[in-house]
Amino acid sequence: SQTIHQWPATLVQPVGSPLSLECTVEGTSNPNLYWYRQAAGRGLQLLFYSVGIGQISSEVPQNLSASRPQDRQFILSSKKLLLSDSGFYLCAWSQFGTGSSYEQYFGPGTRLTVT
Amino acid sequence: GQNIDQPTEMTATEGAIVQINCTYQTSGFNGLFWYQQHAGEAPTFLSYNVLDGLEEKGRFSSFLSRSKGYSYLLLKELQMKDSASYLCAVIGYSTLTFGKGTMLLVSP
Repeated sequence: SQTIHQWPATLVQPVGSPLSLECTVEGTSNPNLYWYRQAAGRGLQLLFYSVGIGQISSEVPQNLSASRPQDRQFILSSKKLLLSDSGFYLCAWSQFGTGSSYEQYFGPGTRLTVT
Repeated sequence: GQNIDQPTEMTATEGAIVQINCTYQTSGFNGLFWYQQHAGEAPTFLSYNVLDGLEEKGRFSSFLSRSKGYSYLLLKELQMKDSASYLCAVIGYSTLTFGKGTMLLVSP
């Protein structure tokens, strides 16, 4: 069966510090991978998605970046965090296809607080 | 562009039936999802509709009308554990767009 891991679970970082969040998927190959952010009182916002190694699509301009160094690894980074980067970060995967294959499976999330 | 609307909050009583509505305007349409999200947790899949009509799965049912850009999630025999946020999401050409979610509070 497929599983998705995210770490860390919670993180408190000062403004201006760097960020690295990691997501890995097990039990599947060539998944589509996604990073979402959920801020308080707001919906899930798609930040990045990737359909293959080294391929990243950015949905929202910001000071964050993403990388996919391996097939089942997706990394979210920032060189300098802003207060507005606080939120609940969720990684998700899907197996591209038709019908309910579009379904996305979410990791447990990382709660980031920028102080 | 993508636009998805759903009510912010709803309240209901244990054992009752509640309907959560979702309207959408999207570029491209390849289906509509409903997810459940408990506080502090990741969303979990509830249902998927791509054709018009009603999909029933236990206590939960989901309806879709593509011509009206409208869906609803129907929850029957409400339980306290159903208190959660319910997210409507539409897949356009390749990515999911989520609504802001409807917070459902079930009271005894």
